[in-house]
Amino acid sequence: EVQLVESGGGLVKPGGSLRLSCAASGFTFSRNSMNWVRQAPGKGLEWVSSISSTSSYIYYADSVKGRFTISRDNAKNSLYLQMNSLRAEDTAVYFCAPREPATPFDYWGQGTLVTVSS
Amino acid sequence: QSVLTQPPSVSAAPGQKVTISCSGSSSNIGNNYVSWYQQLPGTAPKLLIYDNNKRPSGIPDRFSGSKSGTSATLGITGLQTGDEADYYCGTWDSSLSAGAVFGGGTQLTVL
Repeated sequence: EVQLVESGGGLVKPGGSLRLSCAASGFTFSRNSMNWVRQAPGKGLEWVSSISSTSSYIYYADSVKGRFTISRDNAKNSLYLQMNSLRAEDTAVYFCAPREPATPFDYWGQGTLVTVSS
Repeated sequence: QSVLTQPPSVSAAPGQKVTISCSGSSSNIGNNYVSWYQQLPGTAPKLLIYDNNKRPSGIPDRFSGSKSGTSATLGITGLQTGDEADYYCGTWDSSLSAGAVFGGGTQLTVL
């Protein structure tokens, strides 16, 4: 059974930093591209970032480019999202999900809430 | 503002049929497969339809998908109160990076 457990969310002030983690199990993590998708309160889904299986290809949404850094540790079956210079508009539930380019999101974690507020 | 356009809400009575539309452009829906996701209140999204009209294992055939040109449609027949949820269409856009694009979501109310 595929399991994705996000952690690291919380309350942070504008301009602050936070590092999210996603622990994966139930599939061959090292062979899958991984993604972060977020959902602001009461809003729709927004793709944030993706990383290929060997970290060779990394992409970001324009809204987070230059502020967020995605990374992974295949030995630990873990995905990370380092978020710097946080803004109020980054407030959202952040989901991790495996997905190869041009394919659907088959599985989702339960999400971790990030709140940016003074 | 989402790349794909969905109606904010739809409603129908139990047992009836409802359709949810998703409109895009040639750079996204027009040249790529569409997926649909169901998000029950307080939960993560769940894949409902992929490759325009295919259902993952365990998804009942009450749910169907179709695509024509730059638009896609999700159909739900035999509505149940348990179908009350937000529904999102998604695909990818060749004019953007490797990420996905989604609709703004449609809230389904079963009256």
